[in-house]
Amino acid sequence: DTAVSQTPKYLVTQMGNDKSIKCEQNLGHDTMYWYKQDSKKFLKIMFSYNNKELIINETVPNRFSPKSPDKAHLNLHINSLELGDSAVYFCASSARYGTIYNEQFFGPGTRLTVL
Amino acid sequence: KNQVEQSPQSLIILEGKNCTLQCNYTVSPFSNLRWYKQDTGRGPVSLTIMTFSENTKSNGRYTATLDADTKQSSLHITASQLSDSASYICVVSKTGGGADGLTFGKGTHLIIQP
Repeated sequence: DTAVSQTPKYLVTQMGNDKSIKCEQNLGHDTMYWYKQDSKKFLKIMFSYNNKELIINETVPNRFSPKSPDKAHLNLHINSLELGDSAVYFCASSARYGTIYNEQFFGPGTRLTVL
Repeated sequence: KNQVEQSPQSLIILEGKNCTLQCNYTVSPFSNLRWYKQDTGRGPVSLTIMTFSENTKSNGRYTATLDADTKQSSLHITASQLSDSASYICVVSKTGGGADGLTFGKGTHLIIQP
């Protein structure tokens, strides 16, 4: 009965490759997010997305693109991977977008290592 | 510029002792402040949320306080347990929501020693 799940848990790949990380939530939430957590454990939001609006953090390179096949899924596609992309990526979801009741439920994370 | 500063960066205490973590912010206009606990290798989990009008909020042995005038919050842990070892992250939301409405602190890494 996992609320927010991500696959894969670990991803090791070569520089220049294209990869995707999948995220699914079974909470019925209408907003999903992607975060990057670097080696210093600093969480940085990358995107928030509901079925009407995608908000992109302006510092995110356009090599990163979220793709949502439906309300319960938000996948993260990364083109031309670079060494600096190595980090842990967290997916999250929340209900009631834009209100104070925006508790986010996080997935277990995907550790990406770019060689 | 919207910022959230947490202190200390890391903290080691003995099991059974109390501790207080600090969060100062400059986010405006303020909507709410949330404390998350992140265990090693896992995603963050929400502990408390406080809006402008709330001064204190408890969740078991965790008590958060908020002073919206001085833009400071604290998280007090009572009678610490080994399972409290984790990173504690302060997140401040500004009105409007969305990806650009959240500002994260860098966290306090707490270690509880037996």
